[in-house]
Amino acid sequence: DAGVTQSPTHLIKTRGQHVTLRCSPISGHKSVSWYQQVLGQGPQFIFQYYEKEERGRGNFPDRFSARQFPNYSSELNVNALLLGDSALYLCASSLAGGRRNEQFFGPGTRLTVL
Amino acid sequence: GESVGLHLPTLSVQEGDNSIINCAYSNSASDYFIWYKQESGKGPQFIIDIRSNMDKRQGQRVTVLLNKTVKHLSLQIAATQPGDSAVYFCAETWSNDYKLSFGAGTTVTVRA
Repeated sequence: DAGVTQSPTHLIKTRGQHVTLRCSPISGHKSVSWYQQVLGQGPQFIFQYYEKEERGRGNFPDRFSARQFPNYSSELNVNALLLGDSALYLCASSLAGGRRNEQFFGPGTRLTVL
Repeated sequence: GESVGLHLPTLSVQEGDNSIINCAYSNSASDYFIWYKQESGKGPQFIIDIRSNMDKRQGQRVTVLLNKTVKHLSLQIAATQPGDSAVYFCAETWSNDYKLSFGAGTTVTVRA
């Protein structure tokens, strides 16, 4: 069975640009969460979506936005990129929303902002 | 085996020994805890979880211990293998929240 897939694998952008990261959850999973993992640190929660509705948002600026599509795939958008946005962006899917459902992580998208 | 009382960012273990990874969590209201393993170039992989109404849970070669009094969580790995080399994270969450809050992580290196 296919796990969580993310694209692209790697991405290089310059300050001020915007970026769109994509995630396809495991088949049958209806919830997607996004995390930012800066090198050497644990993942930090950005968003959770369930049935196309935002269920939770972490402490990130409005430059970060996301959405979930009818097929439960999701996009994370970041505008006006800063150097500090360089990180591994992880997508996790679960059967339903809420933290008691086991979250399965994808391999991540490595974003480098120059 | 190796026993670490405090959280350390790195842990070196002899193959075949037992290892213990410690984590101090921050929120006394947290009621669900998970250990994840992250190998280089991969996303975190679920290892084992425990709820706050338990103080011990065992899986295959792994045991998680929870001490709510001192807000401490530990992961014990029996007979550590080279494939156990990775970064290990503990994560916590609580009833009114949907997010997982991750700790700093411990890098485990297994010596042959």
